Amino acid sequence: SAVISQKPSRDICQRGTSLTIQCQVDSQVTMMFWYRQQPGQSLTLIATANQGSEATYESGFVIDKFPISRPNLTFSTLTVSNMSPEDSSIYLCSVEARGTSWDNEQFFGPGTRLTVL
Amino acid sequence: ELKVEQNPLFLSMQEGKNYTIYCNYSTTSDRLYWYRQDPGKSLESLFVLLSNGAVKQEGRLMASLDTKARLSTLHITAAVHDLSATYFCAVDFRDDKIIFGKGTRLHILP
Repeated sequence: SAVISQKPSRDICQRGTSLTIQCQVDSQVTMMFWYRQQPGQSLTLIATANQGSEATYESGFVIDKFPISRPNLTFSTLTVSNMSPEDSSIYLCSVEARGTSWDNEQFFGPGTRLTVL
Repeated sequence: ELKVEQNPLFLSMQEGKNYTIYCNYSTTSDRLYWYRQDPGKSLESLFVLLSNGAVKQEGRLMASLDTKARLSTLHITAAVHDLSATYFCAVDFRDDKIIFGKGTRLHILP
């Protein structure tokens, strides 16, 4: 399986500021995703991070608010821009690796718990 | 519209009892996942179901998939307190768009 790390693990931020979350995987993966999990809720897909091209955003999420980078096959960042208290959530990075021994599996990072005051 | 519905959303049960969590989805799918999440933790992969009739078992948990009915079940046998957690099903709708159910919060009473 893949080992996924996220930084920071948690942060408390002021309204109007931005936070960049990093996701690092210990092996090359085909797909990387960013999810949001609001308190007591399920997971919602924000976007698919595409290596070498712009991310693919889901309905309700836009690049200006959640810019994403994926410079290579093991790393991605998600920025939460101009934050408001409604952005308080856990942000999770997830990976898939089609064509490997763990094909068909999707693994999740430990998450970043964000609180916006 | 792509939908994944889980039920029940909350379940409190006694140790030693059996119970089933249901996951219905709205349209054809390539694969279905079951995850466990403990409070304050990330998601742990339990099962990946890929084909009609697939059945997988791990300890006291057994998952099955009926693609014709668009239904998956997660069956808990002789529940123990350690199985208390939130369980999510998630469905991959063929374009790598994975939609999660709302989750089932399971509380097993000793």
